Amino acid sequence: ETGVTQTPRHLVMGMTNKKSLKCEQHLGHNAMYWYKQSAKKPLELMFVYSLEERVENNSVPSRFSPECPNSSHLFLHLHTLQPEDSALYLCASSPGSIRYNEQFFGPGTRLTVL
Amino acid sequence: GNSVTQMEGPVTLSEEAFLTINCTYTATGYPSLFWYVQYPGEGLQLLLKATKADDKGSNKGFEATYRKETTSFHLEKGSVQVSDSAVYFCALSDRSGGYQKVTFGTGTKLQVIP
Repeated sequence: ETGVTQTPRHLVMGMTNKKSLKCEQHLGHNAMYWYKQSAKKPLELMFVYSLEERVENNSVPSRFSPECPNSSHLFLHLHTLQPEDSALYLCASSPGSIRYNEQFFGPGTRLTVL
Repeated sequence: GNSVTQMEGPVTLSEEAFLTINCTYTATGYPSLFWYVQYPGEGLQLLLKATKADDKGSNKGFEATYRKETTSFHLEKGSVQVSDSAVYFCALSDRSGGYQKVTFGTGTKLQVIP
């Protein structure tokens, strides 16, 4: 138990559906991240929020839309996805203090796009 | 930019064998270095870290030493167990603005057989 939870754990959706992934951290951290993990590829950083402000967007297609309503919650809204978007989506958080610089990961949402 | 290179897997070892997983990095400045572990069906967990040159991180019998002269952070364990079977990720972290920017290696899958 890392203090970062993600729901749902598994999601199957069609290409025309709209769904959302949710991440919640109970650690009092200031930064939150979305990563995409695909088979045989490095972990891809998608978005970073620091103090609820988006600070990084790594050329992610617009069919992925993040939202950070407060420092404890992070969402990833999905619409008109493609089969190649099937992957494990990981949420992480980290403290603002420079002393504690590791990231804490949730268990991930396994997404399958049909 | 920053990069992390780690040895290709999978690595298959017998129980009680010695483990080494090589990791080298390229970075500007003075990053922190990490090993994360991912067990099947779970997110990444921090295994150990080192924040400055010559630091040794250790946890659960695993060790890695931050070698600035060779830009390496090799993971070692003297006697592996079946329960160590997982994917191991080497990573480095730079502080950028108010958050930690982490660069991950591609991961090395370890399988330990009884």
